[in-house]
Amino acid sequence: EAGVTQSPTHLIKTRGQQATLRCSPISGHTSVYWYQQALGLGLQFLLWYDEGEERNRGNFPPRFSGRQFPNYSSELNVNALELEDSALYLCASSQGDKQFFGPGTRLTVL
Amino acid sequence: ELKVEQNPLFLSMQEGKNYTIYCNYSTTSDRLYWYRQDPGKSLESLFVLLSNGAVKQEGRLMASLDTKARLSTLHITAAVHDLSATYFCAVVPNAGGTSYGKLTFGQGTILTVHP
Repeated sequence: EAGVTQSPTHLIKTRGQQATLRCSPISGHTSVYWYQQALGLGLQFLLWYDEGEERNRGNFPPRFSGRQFPNYSSELNVNALELEDSALYLCASSQGDKQFFGPGTRLTVL
Repeated sequence: ELKVEQNPLFLSMQEGKNYTIYCNYSTTSDRLYWYRQDPGKSLESLFVLLSNGAVKQEGRLMASLDTKARLSTLHITAAVHDLSATYFCAVVPNAGGTSYGKLTFGQGTILTVHP
């Protein structure tokens, strides 16, 4: 069974640009979660989508947004990139209690 | 706001020794998770603890949950070098409120096992 996949693996942007990160959940999973792992800040919850709806979001500014498509894949968009947005962005999917994480997208903002 | 605190944050062990990592959390929850992360890699699920008194074991690792004390432990028995990694606990609050559905992670414990 294929796991959670994310693309791209690495992304380099400059300050002020926009970044789009993609996630495909495990087949049959309807919930997708996004987390940010920034150096020194640990793992922080960003967004939770389920059945196409945003169910919860963490303490991040509105320039972090996303969506979930009918096939349950998801996009995370970060507008007006700032240097401190540089981090590993992890996507997870679940059906039930356990979240399975993808390999992550490393975003570097120069 | 839910807080999850691990200790110690850094743990240097000799091979063959035993040690325990502690995870305290600040709100009612009966769902606690332990993950392992190798450098530059994603999170690997180790244990899911879903009730008070739950105990799970896999190889040299054993996790337990005390929901009354809001405490989980990850015990390492006879450590080996391959266990070197960062270990995270994470908690999902019980249903209701704005925290529902989101994992809140501890700071992580960086474990290094020396020969």
